Amino acid sequence: SQQGEEDPQALSIQEGENATMNCSYKTSINNLQWYRQNSGRGLVHLILIRSNEREKHSGRLRVTLDTSKKSSSLLITASRAADTASYFCATSEGSARQLTFGSGTQLTVLP
Amino acid sequence: NAGVTQTPKFQVLKTGQSMTLQCAQDMNHEYMSWYRQDPGMGLRLIHYSVGAGITDQGEVPNGYNVSRSTTEDFPLRLLSAAPSQTSVYFCASSGLSPHEQYFGPGTRLTVT
Repeated sequence: SQQGEEDPQALSIQEGENATMNCSYKTSINNLQWYRQNSGRGLVHLILIRSNEREKHSGRLRVTLDTSKKSSSLLITASRAADTASYFCATSEGSARQLTFGSGTQLTVLP
Repeated sequence: NAGVTQTPKFQVLKTGQSMTLQCAQDMNHEYMSWYRQDPGMGLRLIHYSVGAGITDQGEVPNGYNVSRSTTEDFPLRLLSAAPSQTSVYFCASSGLSPHEQYFGPGTRLTVT
């Protein structure tokens, strides 16, 4: 079963605009991670936010976590055509390292 | 470092055939895992290992076997391939902390 569910399933924006993706999950988590997958490639880790953190930044990425609502958002600012990819959230519970992935958001950035 | 490598990149099997998907990492990571990805879905965990000699089942283990005789290698065996196992398979590894996972490029498997 999918722990995380991303919203929207697909997002199309113009270069330079901001992109926001949301993730909801069902159980208590230890941390939540975001990954990017370019077409036909493996996943690449973007950012990890722990359950006791509310916001984290990495370059043009900003992640928020609301454990009371069991939700997270990923904001990509000043998007570029190279940001076109699928984005997945993944959660881990307790001390386990097993990740449960959402179904992903397909982001298209138009030049 | 090569990171996580997987072979083969593509494979076509007939129903009932068996095969092994290879995965290796050169980062001395304890944790390794196998996922499958089906169209429009996220990744689902098949099996994982927290160290040499230790393996456990994930969400969708039926039809697959794993072993972990060394830290570096974590092969996935399909015992008797079925069309439902047509998918893209990813191997991943992670160190002690943080828990970010490093993924291989994937193996695209088609079972006819």
